[in-house]
Amino acid sequence: ILNVEQSPQSLHVQEGDSTNFTCSFPSSNFYALHWYRWETAKSPEALFVMTLNGDEKKKGRISATLNTKEGYSYLYIKGSQPEDSATYLCAPRDDKIIFGKGTRLHILP
Amino acid sequence: DGGITQSPKYLFRKEGQNVTLSCEQNLNHDAMYWYRQDPGQGLRLIYYSQIVNDFQKGDIAEGYSVSREKKESFPLTVTSAQKNPTAFYLCASSRRQDHQPQHFGDGTRLSIL
Repeated sequence: ILNVEQSPQSLHVQEGDSTNFTCSFPSSNFYALHWYRWETAKSPEALFVMTLNGDEKKKGRISATLNTKEGYSYLYIKGSQPEDSATYLCAPRDDKIIFGKGTRLHILP
Repeated sequence: DGGITQSPKYLFRKEGQNVTLSCEQNLNHDAMYWYRQDPGQGLRLIYYSQIVNDFQKGDIAEGYSVSREKKESFPLTVTSAQKNPTAFYLCASSRRQDHQPQHFGDGTRLSIL
């Protein structure tokens, strides 16, 4: 996996609104994809590990889907809250993990 | 509590000096990793180790060296050959099974005086 694209790079969302963003990756030799949340002044924390085409994972208001055939994963946040403000990293892997540059999410009060 | 400890949090180096960043984990993880982050860039892999006494170069290993003498420890040395060492360095560990997520330390910010 050489090229991982996350879009948008930055996103401002009103508190209470829902949002989503994308991770795109070459679909060949896919093994697994990780989503991480990285809050300011903290270390990145794993949100989801996704391995199968069509996987859907959910943790509270946050969910993710995976399409390995077309090479993308979506992260959804329902009813955004201030504590959701963070950088969200995706990291697909074949023989090693490659991180995207992240989507920086700002929740506006 | 189990976790990963990186030290120091901030580090300053004079040009021409080697400096070593510490990373210790008590999670009993086999695999450990070093990443570098620069402004506007994603995390880039410097070195990784899947087992004691073995390690592999990542994408940007030039100017860096590592050792893995103990399972718990994976120190990174930034040598004088690294021409642009100013960056934020993150250490991570994971279970050896390939799909396991990584656990990260809080990072070390290295600056050149």
